[in-house]
Amino acid sequence: GENVEQHPSTLSVQEGDSAVIKCTYSDSASNYFPWYKQELGKRPQLIIDIRSNVGEKKDQRIAVTLNKTAKHFSLHITETQPEDSAVYFCAGTNAGKSTFGDGTTLTVKP
Amino acid sequence: KAGVTQTPRYLIKTRGQQVTLSCSPISGHRSVSWYQQTPGQGLQFLFEYFSETQRNKGNFPGRFSGRQFSNSRSEMNVSTLELGDSALYLCASSLVGVQGYTFGSGTRLTVV
Repeated sequence: GENVEQHPSTLSVQEGDSAVIKCTYSDSASNYFPWYKQELGKRPQLIIDIRSNVGEKKDQRIAVTLNKTAKHFSLHITETQPEDSAVYFCAGTNAGKSTFGDGTTLTVKP
Repeated sequence: KAGVTQTPRYLIKTRGQQVTLSCSPISGHRSVSWYQQTPGQGLQFLFEYFSETQRNKGNFPGRFSGRQFSNSRSEMNVSTLELGDSALYLCASSLVGVQGYTFGSGTRLTVV
C-alpha cells in the first residue's frame, strides 16, 4: 500500500519568512495530493490540493509542487504570519483512500 | 450548508466494552472515511464507505467495523475495547472519494 513520508516534523520560522514542507510517496497509482492544516484542538481543514496531471498550483500565499517522477510533493508558504502556526499534513490518495504523512508542526514567531 | 457532524463528541468507556460512533456527512457527499488520530501515530486510515459499500480498509483488527446507510450516514463500531483504542476518531466526507475531505470535529474516545 501507499506510504507517505513527511519532513520536517517541526519547523520554526520568523514572521515574514517562507516555509517549505516536503513529502514523498511510494504508490505510483496515487493521483491526488491534498494538504491539510490542523490548528490546536480543531479538525483538519483542506488548504490546497494538486492532481497528478499538474505540476504546480498556487493560492495566494500557499503553493504546492508535484514531481511525479521523483514521487515527491511540497507545500510552500510565503510571507508567513503567526496565524499560519499549526500542524500541516500531506496525503497521497488512490481510489478513495488517503494516506497521511505524520505531520509538520509549524511555528511562526512574531 | 451543514458540515460533517459526529456524535458523540466525547466518550469514556471501560476496557472490554463496545462503542458505536456516528457520522453524518455533508448533504450530497457519498464517500465517508474514518481515521484514528493519536499523538504518536498521526492519522491512521480505518475504512472508507461509498454508496453503502466498504471500498477501502486499513490495517486495523476486526474489532473495528463500520457501515453506511442509504442516506450516506455512517457508523463505526469498536468491540472489546482496549486501552490503546483511546484516540480521536475523525470522520471525513467527500463527493466521490477522489478529492479533498471535509472532516468532522471528531469523537474523543477514552478507554479506562
